[in-house]
Amino acid sequence: SQQGEEDPQALSIQEGENATMNCSYKTSINNLQWYRQNSGRGLVHLILIRSNEREKHSGRLRVTLDTSKKSSSLLITASRAADTASYFCATRQTGANNLFFGTGTRLTVIP
Amino acid sequence: EAGVVQSPRYKIIEKKQPVAFWCNPISGHNTLYWYLQNLGQGPELLIRYENEEAVDDSQLPKDRFSAERLKGVDSTLKIQPAELGDSAVYLCASSFAGAGDTEAFFGQGTRLTVV
Repeated sequence: SQQGEEDPQALSIQEGENATMNCSYKTSINNLQWYRQNSGRGLVHLILIRSNEREKHSGRLRVTLDTSKKSSSLLITASRAADTASYFCATRQTGANNLFFGTGTRLTVIP
Repeated sequence: EAGVVQSPRYKIIEKKQPVAFWCNPISGHNTLYWYLQNLGQGPELLIRYENEEAVDDSQLPKDRFSAERLKGVDSTLKIQPAELGDSAVYLCASSFAGAGDTEAFFGQGTRLTVV
């Protein structure tokens, strides 16, 4: 079962534009992580934000976390065609080591 | 450093046949996960191991699915008998459940087609 839901399900933008994806989850968490998956490949970890953090940056990635709303967003700035992939949020629940994934956002960056 | 290795990459079997998937996690990682991913969906957790112990198998359909992790290293996931609805990608991931937050590292997955 999916523990998170992402919005939008699909996003298509022009190269150079920014892409924003949102994630909502249901339970109390220790941290929230974002992963990327290219077609037919495994998932690759992008960034982790702890429950006591509100914002985190890594290169062209910016993640925010609002634990009161149980939501997170991933911003990719100055997108490139190579950013085309599916992006998933994953939550590590409080008191457990399980990692539950959302439904994903399919991002297409048009050159 | 080698990543998580899964085999086979692809498997086609007839329904009612058994099938097994193998996973070799990253050396030193004590946590191992098996996930199922349907097309266009996110990974769904089947089972999580801490060393050789299955600490959460609540999502594993135990009537036909089984898993083991010998000596807390490699793991196998078995389906017997396979059904058409089992067609999916089976992903293995590992992480180190030490102090602090950790990310999971994924293998390339095994794409199963049941015909």
